[in-house]
Amino acid sequence: EVHLVESGGGLVQPGGSLRLSCVASGFTLTNYWMHWVRQAPGKGLVWVSRVNSVGSSTNYADSVKGRFTISRDNAKNTLYLQMNSLRAEDTAVYYCTRGIYTYHMDVWGQGTSVTVSS
Amino acid sequence: QSALTQPPSASGSPGQSVTISCTGTSSDVGGYNYVSWYQQHPGKAPKLMIYEVNKRPSGVPDRFSGSKSGNTASLTVSGLQAEDEADYYCSSYAGSNNLDVLFGGGTKLTVL
Repeated sequence: EVHLVESGGGLVQPGGSLRLSCVASGFTLTNYWMHWVRQAPGKGLVWVSRVNSVGSSTNYADSVKGRFTISRDNAKNTLYLQMNSLRAEDTAVYYCTRGIYTYHMDVWGQGTSVTVSS
Repeated sequence: QSALTQPPSASGSPGQSVTISCTGTSSDVGGYNYVSWYQQHPGKAPKLMIYEVNKRPSGVPDRFSGSKSGNTASLTVSGLQAEDEADYYCSSYAGSNNLDVLFGGGTKLTVL
């Protein structure tokens, strides 16, 4: 069965850093583009970032550009999101998702919660 | 970049049909056939219901269908069932704006 499991969330002070991880099982990460999507409490879904299947191409939402870095280790079947200079508005549940036909997301993790507060 | 526009709420009685709209621009919905729809129950992760405007992933009931006309995409749920009550989000490729994906604001579907 196909699964994505995120970890690394938690409470961090404004200006701090966190690294989220997402471990894939039941499929080979190499074959897919991967995305991070976030959802602030009581709000809608927002696309955050994407990496292509080999890690050579990335893209980011304007709100996180220059602060977040997406990466992957296909040998470990793991996706990462390094988040620096965190702000209160980054508070959200962060979902790791698998992309099919590039821009559709057919597998979602359970999410990991990030709270940025002093 | 603003989110795609969805009505905040929709409702219908069991057995009825409901259509949820998703309006964008020629830079996203109208420019590409990369429209998806996601269902999200409270406290759960979203689930892909429709991709490429009108295709259903394996396991999604054929009561769910998608379409697009111009800059507006639509999700129709036929034969409403209690378990269809959830939040629904549309999304579209938005490469013209240097974004991979743009989501709608979400629609809360209530089964009366």
